[in-house]
Amino acid sequence: EVQLVESGGGVVQPGGSLRLSCAAAGFDFSGHWMHWVRQAPGKGLVWVLCISSDGNNIKYADSVKGRFTISRDNTKNTLSLQMNSLRVEDTAVYYCVRGQYHALDVWGQGTTVTVSS
Amino acid sequence: QSALTQPASVSGSPGQSITISCTGTSSDIGGYNHVSWYQQHPGQAPKFIIYGVSNRPSGVSNRFSGSKSGNTASLTISGLQAEDEADYYCSSYTSSVTWIFGGGTKLAVL
Repeated sequence: EVQLVESGGGVVQPGGSLRLSCAAAGFDFSGHWMHWVRQAPGKGLVWVLCISSDGNNIKYADSVKGRFTISRDNTKNTLSLQMNSLRVEDTAVYYCVRGQYHALDVWGQGTTVTVSS
Repeated sequence: QSALTQPASVSGSPGQSITISCTGTSSDIGGYNHVSWYQQHPGQAPKFIIYGVSNRPSGVSNRFSGSKSGNTASLTISGLQAEDEADYYCSSYTSSVTWIFGGGTKLAVL
């Protein structure tokens, strides 16, 4: 079964850091671009950043550039999101998503990040 | 980059058809045939229902169809059913090699 499972969410103070992980299973992880998409409480989906299948190409939304970093380990089928200098407005459910056909075809269940003092 | 523009809400009766629009620019929707649509029920992760403007992934009902004209894409749901009540989001690949979503449309089946 194709599956993405996120972990690492939690409560952090403004200015703090958090690292999210995503474990992939059931497909050729090394053959797909991977994305993080977030959804603030009661709000819509927002694309955050992505990484190419080989890890050499990374694209960011302007809102997280310089603060968030994405990485992957194709030997362990894992995706990571390092979030630094967190702001209250980064509070959201963060989804790990597989890229396919220039779309986002497989979604994890999400992990919740709360930035609050 | 601003979000793609979708109506906040649409509604229809069971059996009817509805269309949700999604407007962007020549740098996203108008420039590429890489528009996708997602359905999200409350408390659940989004589900991928359309890619490449009008293609349905395996297992998605043929009641869902997509199209595009210029900078505007559309999702049509025919034969509305109660289970179609959900939030719908459009998305497009962009010229910056990024992706962008619409603000979402809440579909009510009356």
